[in-house]
Amino acid sequence: GAGVSQSPRYKVTKRGQDVTLRCDPISSHATLYWYQQALGQGPEFLTYFNYEAQPDKSGLPSDRFSAERPEGSISTLTIQRTEQRDSAMYRCASSNLERTNEQFFGPGTRLTVL
Amino acid sequence: GQNIDQPTEMTATEGAIVQINCTYQTSGFNGLFWYQQHAGEAPTFLSYNVLDGLEEKGRFSSFLSRSKGYSYLLLKELQMKDSASYLCAVDNYGQNFVFGPGTRLSVLP
Repeated sequence: GAGVSQSPRYKVTKRGQDVTLRCDPISSHATLYWYQQALGQGPEFLTYFNYEAQPDKSGLPSDRFSAERPEGSISTLTIQRTEQRDSAMYRCASSNLERTNEQFFGPGTRLTVL
Repeated sequence: GQNIDQPTEMTATEGAIVQINCTYQTSGFNGLFWYQQHAGEAPTFLSYNVLDGLEEKGRFSSFLSRSKGYSYLLLKELQMKDSASYLCAVDNYGQNFVFGPGTRLSVLP
């Protein structure tokens, strides 16, 4: 696609429910990142994929968080048994494999856990 | 641990020059990035430094000193549209990126 897209743009859920966020990266990009961004803060790294491989998931805050990219394109981030502290903007970014290349960020999903 | 420090807020006048500093302490280093983020929008790439020295790109320049763990972003001929947050980010290890808290720049007429 022309840019990185994410859905839904806004998600409100009740504590204890599971949510799944979707990221559709730029079609030629091998690398996909997930970040969590609190208001007024910089993005915090969660995990990344090179195609379908997930070399680093050290940033996932707990085992309630998981991410997939089974065919090396679209990715999902799932949060199980959501808690209020999970409320944040979740951003996806993609880039070429070369680390010198910029990351293109999506518009984000604003998650609110009540 | 991983730590990136930036000033929280800065104010400058239209047409002026402003320098935004960033210091970092990370377990690894594979390059430093600067991103611009307008309120309510996604970050957009500004610059990348992996070797010491100055990289110039139009009105924006970025400097890196790896031995000092220090970078700065220099914005010249400030315009009102430059009012935004500026994020310093380090490629810590592999592709594990550490972002700073961001510096909120206000450009006044």
